[in-house]
Amino acid sequence: AQSVSQHNHHVILSEAASLELGCNYSYGGTVNLFWYVQYPGQHLQLLLKYFSGDPLVKGIKGFEAEFIKSKFSFNLRKPSVQWSDTAEYFCAVNSGYSTLTFGKGTMLLVSP
Amino acid sequence: DAGITQSPRHKVTETGTPVTLRCHQTENHRYMYWYRQDPGHGLRLIHYSYGVKDTDKGEVSDGYSVSRSKTEDFLLTLESATSSQTSVYFCALQGADNEQYFGPGTRLTVT
Repeated sequence: AQSVSQHNHHVILSEAASLELGCNYSYGGTVNLFWYVQYPGQHLQLLLKYFSGDPLVKGIKGFEAEFIKSKFSFNLRKPSVQWSDTAEYFCAVNSGYSTLTFGKGTMLLVSP
Repeated sequence: DAGITQSPRHKVTETGTPVTLRCHQTENHRYMYWYRQDPGHGLRLIHYSYGVKDTDKGEVSDGYSVSRSKTEDFLLTLESATSSQTSVYFCALQGADNEQYFGPGTRLTVT
């Protein structure tokens, strides 16, 4: 069975700081990788996704993620965070037609 | 948005009562999912459907049943609600690239 590990449960940053959230998965075959964001009181929204090709994926709102197959990692990055990025971030993985497996989430708090 | 609605959006019910949550879509997606979200656990899959009358269990299916009698509706039933089922429930649809799109959620409190 697949599993997803998000290293940090809570991250606190000041505005304009750089962000990197870690995500590692356990499945060794071909995978599809996703990052979702959940703003306070809202539902999950897709930030970006990776299926194949360029391992550096760009998403919405200035986020990007890099797939490193040898490390089973798919870390989320943003060069300069804003207060409006305060949210919970979820990494997820599936392979083929399997169901999505989510990490437990990382809560990001950006202080103005 | 993928045209997903959930009803009700909030519900308070008593232990032992049956509860049904509804997910409705307008875009004819084949795959639909029910998740629950709890602090410290992320999202956990309850049941999913891959077509009308085709459903399967997820990670935390005990105490829940589902039905899908038509493409647009996917119902989640708690046969006899317990306090451990207090949670936020999200429905999701699967898009063309295996990504999922989530509904607004239902906050269920079992007293």
